[in-house]
Amino acid sequence: DAKTTQPPSMDCAEGRAANLPCNHSTISGNEYVYWYRQIHSQGPQYIIHGLKNNETNEMASLIITEDRKSSTLILPHATLRDTAVYYCIVRDYSGNTPLVFGKGTRLSVIA
Amino acid sequence: NAGVMQNPRHLVRRRGQEARLRCSPMKGHSHVYWYRQLPEEGLKFMVYLQKENIIDESGMPKERFSAEFPKEGPSILRIQQVVRGDSAAYFCASRQGGARDGYTFGSGTRLTVV
Repeated sequence: DAKTTQPPSMDCAEGRAANLPCNHSTISGNEYVYWYRQIHSQGPQYIIHGLKNNETNEMASLIITEDRKSSTLILPHATLRDTAVYYCIVRDYSGNTPLVFGKGTRLSVIA
Repeated sequence: NAGVMQNPRHLVRRRGQEARLRCSPMKGHSHVYWYRQLPEEGLKFMVYLQKENIIDESGMPKERFSAEFPKEGPSILRIQQVVRGDSAAYFCASRQGGARDGYTFGSGTRLTVV
């Protein structure tokens, strides 16, 4: 079972920042937070991951609270092509356990 | 680097036939994962393989399904005696080996059982 809780859906205006929340209150010290997205019927796409520090790459920023019980994925300037289902996943850093996908958040970017 | 290649993209099988789905991981990636996505549902983990070894098959149905990742060649997911309920998108992912590495997914194989 997924260890994260995400809102089922969100809307965002094109050009605005999309802030996608995720609760992972039972996260343990050896678990990373990963974000993936799946654009309609395509394979999931890796976005970003982090342990406890905030992370930024060319796609997004990841803000993790100090207690690590929640995080927010930020798409700074959402476009129509960012419409997708976004998955927040926690996984231990041993690499031996596979990614477990929950239901995710369906983000709709509106023109 | 061509990414994770899956073929065929679409596969139609009659009930009772066998389906073979192929996955070529990214160059240098030795870890392969298979996921299944039923229509309008989420991705479900099936099996995790590392060259010639099955590491975790906790998500594989006990019967008719098998997977391999030989020393040479692609990973194969094999479904024997397919039934209509096997109709789904099957995705393969690979990672290089670093435990914290993200997965790279292929475009999937859409299996339709008629």
